[in-house]
Amino acid sequence: KAGVTQTPRYLIKTRGQQVTLSCSPISGHRSVSWYQQTPGQGLQFLFEYFSETQRNKGNFPGRFSGRQFSNSRSEMNVSTLELGDSALYLCASKRAEETQYFGPGTRLLVL
Amino acid sequence: DQQVKQNSPSLSVQEGRISILNCDYTNSMFDYFLWYKKYPAEGPTFLISISSIKDKNEDGRFTVFLNKSAKHLSLHIVPSQPGDSAVYFCAASGWGSQGNLIFGKGTKLSVKP
Repeated sequence: KAGVTQTPRYLIKTRGQQVTLSCSPISGHRSVSWYQQTPGQGLQFLFEYFSETQRNKGNFPGRFSGRQFSNSRSEMNVSTLELGDSALYLCASKRAEETQYFGPGTRLLVL
Repeated sequence: DQQVKQNSPSLSVQEGRISILNCDYTNSMFDYFLWYKKYPAEGPTFLISISSIKDKNEDGRFTVFLNKSAKHLSLHIVPSQPGDSAVYFCAASGWGSQGNLIFGKGTKLSVKP
């Protein structure tokens, strides 16, 4: 069974731009969660989508948004990029149980 | 305030010996705990989990112990192998968290041949 896939793997943007990251969950998984990993803050929860609805959200500004499509694929959008948004963005999927399986991540560098 | 703490940023162990990684939590509503292994620039790989109704769970060389009264869990790796060298993250979730995993900052394990 294929794992969680994320595209692109690497991205370089400049301050003020916006970016969209994509995540395809494991087949049959309807829940997709997004996390941000930075050296200083570690792994932090951004939001979770289930059946196209956001059902949980972390403590991030409104510049961070997401959506989920009917095939469970999810996108995350960051608008008005700041230098501090440079991070590894991870997507994870799961079925009904608690174990989340992570993708390889998208490394975003904001210059 | 950190709800999940891994107080040892690094651990060095000899090949063949036991590695013990520790994790403490503060939120008594957490009822599911997981360990992930992570290499640089890759996503975390799920290792093992434990529900709060258990105090031990084994999977091959990996065993997780949960002490609810102390709000402490540990991951034992026996025997340790050089390929186990990675950063290990402890994570927790609570009833009703609906996908929100709270992670510790990680412990970097180095297994020396």
